Amino acid sequence: GAVVSQHPSRVICKSGTSVKIECRSLDFQATTMFWYRQFPKKSLMLMATSNEGSKATYEQGVEKDKFLINHASLTLSTLTVTSAHPEDSSFYICSASGLWGSSYEQYFGPGTRLTVT
Amino acid sequence: GIQVEQSPPDLILQEGANSTLRCNFSDSVNNLQWFHQNPWGQLINLFYIPSGTKQNGRLSATTVATERYSLLYISSSQTTDSGVYFCAVSPRYSGGGADGLTFGKGTHLIIQP
Repeated sequence: GAVVSQHPSRVICKSGTSVKIECRSLDFQATTMFWYRQFPKKSLMLMATSNEGSKATYEQGVEKDKFLINHASLTLSTLTVTSAHPEDSSFYICSASGLWGSSYEQYFGPGTRLTVT
Repeated sequence: GIQVEQSPPDLILQEGANSTLRCNFSDSVNNLQWFHQNPWGQLINLFYIPSGTKQNGRLSATTVATERYSLLYISSSQTTDSGVYFCAVSPRYSGGGADGLTFGKGTHLIIQP
């Protein structure tokens, strides 16, 4: 299957600072990348959808000025959490979908655990 | 938006038993995927199955799109099958391209030796 990586896998930052998370598709070109958030013992929630070279589409209730998404190439998307607060602490997971013909299958990265102190 | 319900929420079985996990969804879909989330949080793709039946070793899945449900079967369970199983869907729109997934709450499966 297709491989998606995330970096870093774990990050601790102080309240008020910004953190950047990278999502890369290693062996395919990702026409669309997605960012999800998961709280402990909960399900995943879609935050935003990004297509290469265009602005991300954010889900209702997700602050676009707090969660900046850049999809500069067909293999890289970044999520920057700006002015982080303890309530932003969560598990952030990206996924990517490629040109699979008629399939819309998504492949997920291993996730990034963010702790804001 | 589309609703996804998974059942049962928790399931405890002995090693060697068979299990069936269910996923109901509220609208037509162009993507339905089953995942196993391992203890480190990685989502492992099990099936991409917006319709039809697929099998992969001890696992198989069936989606009846007209009745809006999907089933994941695990046969001869092993302790390594333990974890959370998620069903996720994206609705069928008139446009093309991939859309974000809506996840169910998952089934927490425990296989005891």
